[in-house]
Amino acid sequence: QKEVEQNSGPLSVPEGAIASLNCTYSDRVSQSFFWYRQYSGKSPELIMSIYSNGDKEDGRFTAQLNKASQYVSLLIRDSQPSDSATYLCAAPRGGYSTLTFGKGTMLLVSP
Amino acid sequence: KAGVTQTPRYLIKTRGQQVTLSCSPISGHRSVSWYQQTPGQGLQFLFEYFSETQRNKGNFPGRFSGRQFSNSRSEMNVSTLELGDSALYLCASSLSGENYNEQFFGPGTRLTVL
Repeated sequence: QKEVEQNSGPLSVPEGAIASLNCTYSDRVSQSFFWYRQYSGKSPELIMSIYSNGDKEDGRFTAQLNKASQYVSLLIRDSQPSDSATYLCAAPRGGYSTLTFGKGTMLLVSP
Repeated sequence: KAGVTQTPRYLIKTRGQQVTLSCSPISGHRSVSWYQQTPGQGLQFLFEYFSETQRNKGNFPGRFSGRQFSNSRSEMNVSTLELGDSALYLCASSLSGENYNEQFFGPGTRLTVL
């Protein structure tokens, strides 16, 4: 069973700080990774995709991928209370876009 | 471009009944995947359809089934409902279903089984 692991949290950070969310995966074949944000009672929203080793930046978000260590992370700079949500890490199952999700990390940003 | 739509948004059923949920993907997207989300199990994959064919299936009993139409719209059906089927059912669409394709979720259908 291919696994995606995340700490459930909650991860608590003060407003303006950097939040660091981590994810490990077991399938060495995985080439694509996705971060979703899910607010309570809502559906997951795609916020970042990363396909190659290194960093990918998009506004306040930076995704980092290390395939050798089978590790992917999401950094949120200048965290805002509106960033408070559950962040889900996901990787494709096999050759298709169908995803295996981690259980998610709850982020709480306090004003 | 309109997003993924799902109907109905909320549903209350009793044990033993059956239910059909509908999903319309983003225009041009041909792959539709279905997921079940519960507090205990998280997001679990049900099945994926592409060009009216089921390409991938998760570990759910045969009571869970689906289909896809020629316009890429998809339905999933759950027969003989059990209390444990209460969950948020999510549909996601992607362009062609390749493993690098991004998936976009609909708002979900909240199913409550009494």
